[in-house]
Amino acid sequence: GENVEQHPSTLSVQEGDSAVIKCTYSDSASNYFPWYKQELGKRPQLIIDIRSNVGEKKDQRIAVTLNKTAKHFSLHITETQPEDSAVYFCAAFSGSARQLTFGSGTQLTVLP
Amino acid sequence: DTAVSQTPKYLVTQMGNDKSIKCEQNLGHDTMYWYKQDSKKFLKIMFSYNNKELIINETVPNRFSPKSPDKAHLNLHINSLELGDSAVYFCASSQVAGSYEQYFGPGTRLTVT
Repeated sequence: GENVEQHPSTLSVQEGDSAVIKCTYSDSASNYFPWYKQELGKRPQLIIDIRSNVGEKKDQRIAVTLNKTAKHFSLHITETQPEDSAVYFCAAFSGSARQLTFGSGTQLTVLP
Repeated sequence: DTAVSQTPKYLVTQMGNDKSIKCEQNLGHDTMYWYKQDSKKFLKIMFSYNNKELIINETVPNRFSPKSPDKAHLNLHINSLELGDSAVYFCASSQVAGSYEQYFGPGTRLTVT
């Protein structure tokens, strides 16, 4: 089955700096890679996603890059703000396994 | 309007009891899921249902059983609760099974004493 590894597990940055979270996946058949943000005590919510036919996608301060050859994808947050503080999960959808496999999460703390 | 709702929000019960968690979605989605989030925040798929048929069944204990009376509801029944079942359980739904956004419910925090 699919295995998704996520690093780092915790990340602290100063407000205004950039944050990068990296994930690797094992199943070459995976074709959909969403990123979810979970604030303390809340539900996970999708913030951005990318499909395997695209190498990069941006949405305002958030961007995701995908390297299919290396089987890794990354989340980039620029100009971080305190409200960006949350746990971020990467995930990969494998058509063969027909399920979404999540990474272990990254606790991002933006220091004012 | 709430897209995916769960009840109850909190559930405290003793070992050995049987309990159910209810989930409803008003998005018209075809697929619903149950996830377990443990104390380390790890999210793991338990079940998914597509048009009332089970399409994924992770290797969870058979004490856990999903029940879907219709496309908008997917309930989770747990028999003989154990301490290790303590976690937050999230229901989710997506338009169809596959590479689509999943919308999560607010979660049910289950504590087994």
